[in-house]
Amino acid sequence: DTAVSQTPKYLVTQMGNDKSIKCEQNLGHDTMYWYKQDSKKFLKIMFSYNNKELIINETVPNRFSPKSPDKAHLNLHINSLELGDSAVYFCASSQGTGGGQETQYFGPGTRLLVL
Amino acid sequence: DQQVKQNSPSLSVQEGRISILNCDYTNSMFDYFLWYKKYPAEGPTFLISISSIKDKNEDGRFTVFLNKSAKHLSLHIVPSQPGDSAVYFCAASETGTYKYIFGTGTRLKVLA
Repeated sequence: DTAVSQTPKYLVTQMGNDKSIKCEQNLGHDTMYWYKQDSKKFLKIMFSYNNKELIINETVPNRFSPKSPDKAHLNLHINSLELGDSAVYFCASSQGTGGGQETQYFGPGTRLLVL
Repeated sequence: DQQVKQNSPSLSVQEGRISILNCDYTNSMFDYFLWYKKYPAEGPTFLISISSIKDKNEDGRFTVFLNKSAKHLSLHIVPSQPGDSAVYFCAASETGTYKYIFGTGTRLKVLA
């Protein structure tokens, strides 16, 4: 029973396509996150939702759109994929009780390769 | 502008010895710090954390030290074991922001 799960684990696609990555957590947490780990292994926050409400939106191209149908799910949709979108995308969650001093729990990652 | 830095990309240590991983930060508003461990093809796993009101936190073989005046934290692993071989990330956050800033990681190799 995985705490934070992501699908798919691997995604290979052509430039210009649209793709989605799904994330689910069964920890009962209120806050979920998307991170991107680029080729330099730098883990950078992209988005965060607290109780289905967007609370962090970093300077991410608007081709990336997160969607939270309920507080256990946070999906990431990417339009018009570009070569530079190739990276590992991690979903995470935390209790979200007050925005600080919390542990974030990560999913296994989705390895996206854009050809 | 990288607010959290891990200046050593890699570290090799003999089994049984101490591993010391370092992390520096620039934002004095950070008040919570964490260490994560990451194996290949897996997500980061939480290891240990420390609040800025403390200067040390210990959990088994892992101890994190925080030096606020130097804006520096370190993770000590004693004794090091081959299973500790992984990439270690430090992260920092400011209460109320929900945002964690990660360092670029240090690859630890524990030699048997």
